[in-house]
Amino acid sequence: DVKVTQSSRYLVKRTGEKVFLECVQDMDHENMFWYRQDPGLGLRLIYFSYDVKMKEKGDIPEGYSVSREKKERFSLILESASTNQTSMYLCASSFNLQGARGINTEAFFGQGTRLTVV
Amino acid sequence: GEDVEQSLFLSVREGDSSVINCTYTDSSSTYLYWYKQEPGAGLQLLTYIFSNMDMKQDQRLTVLLNKKDKHLSLRIADTQTGDSAIYFCAENPDSNYQLIWGAGTKLIIKP
Repeated sequence: DVKVTQSSRYLVKRTGEKVFLECVQDMDHENMFWYRQDPGLGLRLIYFSYDVKMKEKGDIPEGYSVSREKKERFSLILESASTNQTSMYLCASSFNLQGARGINTEAFFGQGTRLTVV
Repeated sequence: GEDVEQSLFLSVREGDSSVINCTYTDSSSTYLYWYKQEPGAGLQLLTYIFSNMDMKQDQRLTVLLNKKDKHLSLRIADTQTGDSAIYFCAENPDSNYQLIWGAGTKLIIKP
């Protein structure tokens, strides 16, 4: 079974704290993604990585950074947490078969981390 | 730009059919997807359709694609309480390997 594991299901942090959200996948996927999910807004891409040490900004990167030192691990960092970063954070991974489509680009998701910033 | 739209809620009675609709803008999308998110869980791929198909059936699920109108629908026959979830439509434009997501439709089952 493909597994994408996020280190925490629930987190409560104070405004201004540095927050690390960790994600690990065991399928040797090249691509990894961080999304935030808010009611009525669906999934919004924060950052993604297509290889070790490679990263690309998504639609809403402001206030976030990422780290991909090893292929299986993709970390999302909130440098100074703010209340508007209270959200559900979802990590996903997929094969990097650029030009391939369909089931080959299926994204596998972790269970999510519900972060509350107070 | 690329955009995927779906209504936020759908309420159906147990045993009825549910039809969840989605419109997308990128006509180059080769594949379109339906993902399901059960309460407290991540998303899981439910089904997908290749753009040269009009219909795909898989047990209780029927996917209809109208490429001319850029309209995708998911029909769930004999809706059960276990179908309660948020259903996300996504497209995979030819230009890259990211998915473009809709906002998700919450399916509510009335007894």
